[in-house]
Amino acid sequence: DVKVTQSSRYLVKRTGEKVFLECVQDMDHENMFWYRQDPGLGLRLIYFSYDVKMKEKGDIPEGYSVSREKKERFSLILESASTNQTSMYLCASSPSTGEETQYFGPGTRLLVL
Amino acid sequence: GENVEQHPSTLSVQEGDSAVIKCTYSDSASNYFPWYKQELGKGPQLIIDIRSNVGEKKDQRIAVTLNKTAKHFSLHITETQPEDSAVYFCAASIPGGFKTIFGAGTRLFVKA
Repeated sequence: DVKVTQSSRYLVKRTGEKVFLECVQDMDHENMFWYRQDPGLGLRLIYFSYDVKMKEKGDIPEGYSVSREKKERFSLILESASTNQTSMYLCASSPSTGEETQYFGPGTRLLVL
Repeated sequence: GENVEQHPSTLSVQEGDSAVIKCTYSDSASNYFPWYKQELGKGPQLIIDIRSNVGEKKDQRIAVTLNKTAKHFSLHITETQPEDSAVYFCAASIPGGFKTIFGAGTRLFVKA
């Protein structure tokens, strides 16, 4: 079974703090993704990576950055957290081309005060 | 860019009844259409998918149909059970791309 783990289930941070969300997958997948999930908006892609040290912007990259130093790990960074970044963050991975099933982690619910 | 619309946003059915969720997509190049189920406190999990060279696919109580001409696809759940209660997302992706576009989700309630 593919397993995608996220470092925290719940996080509470202050406005202006730097926030790190970590994601690890154990299936040697090439592709990894970060989404945010908001009611009525579905899942929106923040960033994705198709290889180590490679990253591509998704639909809503503003205010976020990512890091992929190892194949199994993909980090999402909020350089200076703001209240409008309060959301559920989901990490996913998939093999090869991207036209495949994505395997999701359990999500991190972030509250920025 | 690709856009996926999903309806209804909320669906309530009696146990044993059928549930249908419908999605439309905008990019005619889309060729892969997965459906994900998200239970409370968990990430979305694939339940069924269909590729553009197939019109229908069935797996026990769930089935998906695809109409490429009309650019819409649907999820059908028969004999619903309380454990089917969850949020369901449709999605579409284009060949060679890395972006899967998700619908806004449907919250399904199955009343016992």
